[in-house]
Amino acid sequence: ETGVTQSPTHLIKTRGQQVTLRCSSQSGHNTVSWYQQALGQGPQFIFQYYREEENGRGNFPPRFSGLQFPNYSSELNVNALELDDSALYLCATKLAGGYEQYFGPGTRLTVT
Amino acid sequence: EDQVTQSPEALRLQEGESSSLNCSYTVSGLRGLFWYRQDPGKGPEFLFTLYSAGEEKEKERLKATLTKKESFLHITAPKPEDSATYLCAVRGRLDYKLSFGAGTTVTVRA
Repeated sequence: ETGVTQSPTHLIKTRGQQVTLRCSSQSGHNTVSWYQQALGQGPQFIFQYYREEENGRGNFPPRFSGLQFPNYSSELNVNALELDDSALYLCATKLAGGYEQYFGPGTRLTVT
Repeated sequence: EDQVTQSPEALRLQEGESSSLNCSYTVSGLRGLFWYRQDPGKGPEFLFTLYSAGEEKEKERLKATLTKKESFLHITAPKPEDSATYLCAVRGRLDYKLSFGAGTTVTVRA
């Protein structure tokens, strides 16, 4: 186990609603990234946070936003949910200057 | 844009039947090639990082190798507990994200 935790485990939302997913980092891991994984596909990079600021973003619209807190934990917020947002959402943390990213167990989001 | 292609999509093995998974990549200035194992409904578990052509890493029945265009994950004498999806990812010089392939799903029958 990596020590990265995510909550909730599962979530069901209706199209148009908003959702907040949470991630707690490992000790000393001050960089957090979020990924979206659709069924049968590899994870797709959403964005990365370092020192409480977004410092990299993938091809996701602005309705995907995030926060990082002083204790390095993080949130992913998705507004105006669409059916295609149904996926496994993963957070990954790493040490500053390191390359290896360690993933949490994920949050399974279903949008109906 | 960094691209990763994994083959085959699925692999069914008999226990003890060794095989290899392929990961082909294109990347601007490789900063690392990563192998992960993912069990159904769970997050990816880190296995290996390879940084330069010719490098090899081993862990139990798994061995990862790297060339300038591809990486192989060799599974020697697999057991049913090796059944999982194996993901390959790259990080390029100009980027901070991991770019993943779609994975190879390995099923090992007893």
